[in-house]
Amino acid sequence: EAQVTQNPRYLITVTGKKLTVTCSQNMNHEYMSWYRQDPGLGLRQIYYSMNVEVTDKGDVPEGYKVSRKEKRNFPLILESPSPNQTSLYFCASTTYHSGSDTQYFGPGTRLTVL
Amino acid sequence: DQQVKQNSPSLSVQEGRISILNCDYTNSMFDYFLWYKKYPAEGPTFLISISSIKDKNEDGRFTVFLNKSAKHLSLHIVPSQPGDSAVYFCAASASSGGGADGLTFGKGTHLIIQP
Repeated sequence: EAQVTQNPRYLITVTGKKLTVTCSQNMNHEYMSWYRQDPGLGLRQIYYSMNVEVTDKGDVPEGYKVSRKEKRNFPLILESPSPNQTSLYFCASTTYHSGSDTQYFGPGTRLTVL
Repeated sequence: DQQVKQNSPSLSVQEGRISILNCDYTNSMFDYFLWYKKYPAEGPTFLISISSIKDKNEDGRFTVFLNKSAKHLSLHIVPSQPGDSAVYFCAASASSGGGADGLTFGKGTHLIIQP
């Protein structure tokens, strides 16, 4: 079954404690991205990756890091989380074409930073 | 500056009637538009899309209309069913950059289908 998985699904942490949210897809997609969803703001792109070792900033990259060492995995790293990073995070993947391919989303990770 | 706007945070429609969700955009570089549907505790799922070379795309009960001159698109659901109750996100991309450089999403509209 084609899918995007994220772990953990729920996480409560404290300010400054480094954390990683994993994302994995089994569709051999080149393109992966991370979004955060906040009430009243909708989905905003954090980082994206067009292929292995190719990453770039989205609209709201501050406070986040990513890496793309393998095609299937695209972890999101918060080196020093802060309360304003409390949000619902979605990972997504798609084939690398002219923007006309639909993105497949993971189930989401709800992060609370105290 | 919000480039994709969904000005109705919520919409209530009676079962069996037509639901019309609206979306406006400001970036004239956008040439591909998508609608996603999201249930609570799940990721968004793709619903329907339209390229800027078309003005209408239909898939079963769902039809998307695009008015390029007005920079406006709408999603019509006919007839509306209880399972359509969800948050609907409008999204746009500018593919002229040659790659899948991400989607810009609206804030979403919560559609509630009343029995």
